[in-house]
Amino acid sequence: GAGVSQSPSNKVTEKGKDVELRCDPISGHTALYWYRQRLGQGLEFLIYFQGNSAPDKSGLPSDRFSAERTGESVSTLTIQRTQQEDSAVYLCASSLDHEAFFGQGTRLTVV
Amino acid sequence: GQNIDQPTEMTATEGAIVQINCTYQTSGFNGLFWYQQHAGEAPTFLSYNVLDGLEEKGRFSSFLSRSKGYSYLLLKELQMKDSASYLCAVRNYGQNFVFGPGTRLSVLP
Repeated sequence: GAGVSQSPSNKVTEKGKDVELRCDPISGHTALYWYRQRLGQGLEFLIYFQGNSAPDKSGLPSDRFSAERTGESVSTLTIQRTQQEDSAVYLCASSLDHEAFFGQGTRLTVV
Repeated sequence: GQNIDQPTEMTATEGAIVQINCTYQTSGFNGLFWYQQHAGEAPTFLSYNVLDGLEEKGRFSSFLSRSKGYSYLLLKELQMKDSASYLCAVRNYGQNFVFGPGTRLSVLP
């Protein structure tokens, strides 16, 4: 595709429900990143996939968070038993060489 | 540990020059990046430095000193549309990007 695509763009969920966020990276990009950005704050690293290597999960804040990636294509970020503190914009980025290209993000609101 | 520092906010006048500083301490270094992020939008790539020195790209320039763990982004001939957050990020040996807190720049008429 032309750019990184994320869906849904907005998600409102009730506390305790599970949510799944999707990221379609730029075709051919081997690296894929997930970040979280709370209102007025910087980007917080969550997880990084590089090709078929084991992902770097060091940024996941708790075991309620998990992510998968199929080969070098789509990735899904799953948050189980959502809490109000999970409310944020979840940004996905992909990269082939140097710079990372970001999607528009999914704005998650937990009520 | 990993730490990236930037000023929280800066204000400048249209047509002026502004320098946004970034200092970093990270587990390995594999490049320093600057991104621009307008409110409610995704970050967009501005510049990349991996060697010491100045990289110029139109009105924007970025400088790197690896020995000092220091970079700056220089914006010339400021325009109102340059009002945004500017994010400094370091790519470490694990190839992950670690972002600073961002500097919110306000350009005044």
